[in-house]
Amino acid sequence: GENVEQHPSTLSVQEGDSAVIKCTYSDSASNYFPWYKQELGKGPQLIIDIRSNVGEKKDQRIAVTLNKTAKHFSLHITETQPEDSAVYFCAAPEGYQKVTFGTGTKLQVIP
Amino acid sequence: DVKVTQSSRYLVKRTGEKVFLECVQDMDHENMFWYRQDPGLGLRLIYFSYDVKMKEKGDIPEGYSVSREKKERFSLILESASTNQTSMYLCASSLGRLARNTGELFFGEGSRLTVL
Repeated sequence: GENVEQHPSTLSVQEGDSAVIKCTYSDSASNYFPWYKQELGKGPQLIIDIRSNVGEKKDQRIAVTLNKTAKHFSLHITETQPEDSAVYFCAAPEGYQKVTFGTGTKLQVIP
Repeated sequence: DVKVTQSSRYLVKRTGEKVFLECVQDMDHENMFWYRQDPGLGLRLIYFSYDVKMKEKGDIPEGYSVSREKKERFSLILESASTNQTSMYLCASSLGRLARNTGELFFGEGSRLTVL
């Protein structure tokens, strides 16, 4: 089955700096890579995704890059703000229903 | 907006008790999922269902069972709770069978279960 590795497990940045979270996956057939944000006391929520026919996608301060050859994808958050503090999960599909998640990155933005 | 509702936010049970965790979604989604979340282990899939009365084992089904009698409701059952099942349980749903294409999972807020 799909195996998704995520690094780092924790990340502290100063407000205004950038944050980068990286994930690798094992299944070459995977073609859809979402990122979820989990705020304290809530369930994860999709924030951005990328499909295998593009290499990069941006949405305001967040961007995701994908390297299919190397089987890795990354989340980039620029100009971080305190409300970006949360746990972030990358994920990759396995088959038609299953989604395999990474182990999560706890991001702390220090004001 | 899609709403996934988990019946209990916090539960405390004793070892050996039978535990029911209920989940309801209001957007006519075909797929429903139960995940378990533990620190350092991320989200691990317990069971999922792509149709009424259909179920598939996920990565960690041991000690759990599920029931999907109606499309909107997916229940997780711990037949005999054990202390190693103390965890956060997250229910999710997604639109259709082609999750590979549609992708987005909608999560409930979680049920934190403590087994003493």
